[in-house]
Amino acid sequence: AQSVTQLDSQVPVFEEAPVELRCNYSSSVSVYLFWYVQYPNQGLQLLLKYLSGSTLVKGINGFEAEFNKSQTSFHLRKPSVHISDTAEYFCAAEGQGGSEKLVFGKGTKLTVNP
Amino acid sequence: DAGVIQSPRHEVTEMGQEVTLRCKPISGHDYLFWYRQTMMRGLELLIYFNNNVPIDDSGMPEDRFSAKMPNASFSTLKIQPSEPRDSAVYFCASSFGPQGGYTFGSGTRLTVV
Repeated sequence: AQSVTQLDSQVPVFEEAPVELRCNYSSSVSVYLFWYVQYPNQGLQLLLKYLSGSTLVKGINGFEAEFNKSQTSFHLRKPSVHISDTAEYFCAAEGQGGSEKLVFGKGTKLTVNP
Repeated sequence: DAGVIQSPRHEVTEMGQEVTLRCKPISGHDYLFWYRQTMMRGLELLIYFNNNVPIDDSGMPEDRFSAKMPNASFSTLKIQPSEPRDSAVYFCASSFGPQGGYTFGSGTRLTVV
């Protein structure tokens, strides 16, 4: 079974500042990793995913994430945030070769202030 | 494709009433998932289907909850009788399989008074 920990429940930043949202996972097997974004009153939308290969993954809206197997981490970064990036961000893991279920973290609320 | 379609968007009902939530997955997606989201518990997987067959319903909170998928293009989640603690946003998601990630619907906000 997998578990996902998002270390920060809330992250406030100023516009145009860089941001990192932290995610750690635990699993007895190799995993696929995902980041989703949820804007107010909407469903979750896939930002990016890591399946294999290059550990740096680029997604939509200028976000990227880096898979670190030794640290069991998959942190999400953006070099310069906009007001429109204000949303909740969810990290998720799926065990390879087993259940098709995604295990989600509890989410990080990113608030971008002017 | 119009994405995953859920109806209704909002539902307000009285305690004890039956509630039915509906979902149309993306055509060609073999997996369908029902989630519940609350402030206290976050995202909870209730049940998921593969090729219309329920695979794991261990997240269904109690017998008042039931889900069906009569065909590849339609699923329902029913609560009977409903209780105030069932108030939440219910999401449906579909996927073509491992590695694909999920596509979520816009959710149904259920309020039981």
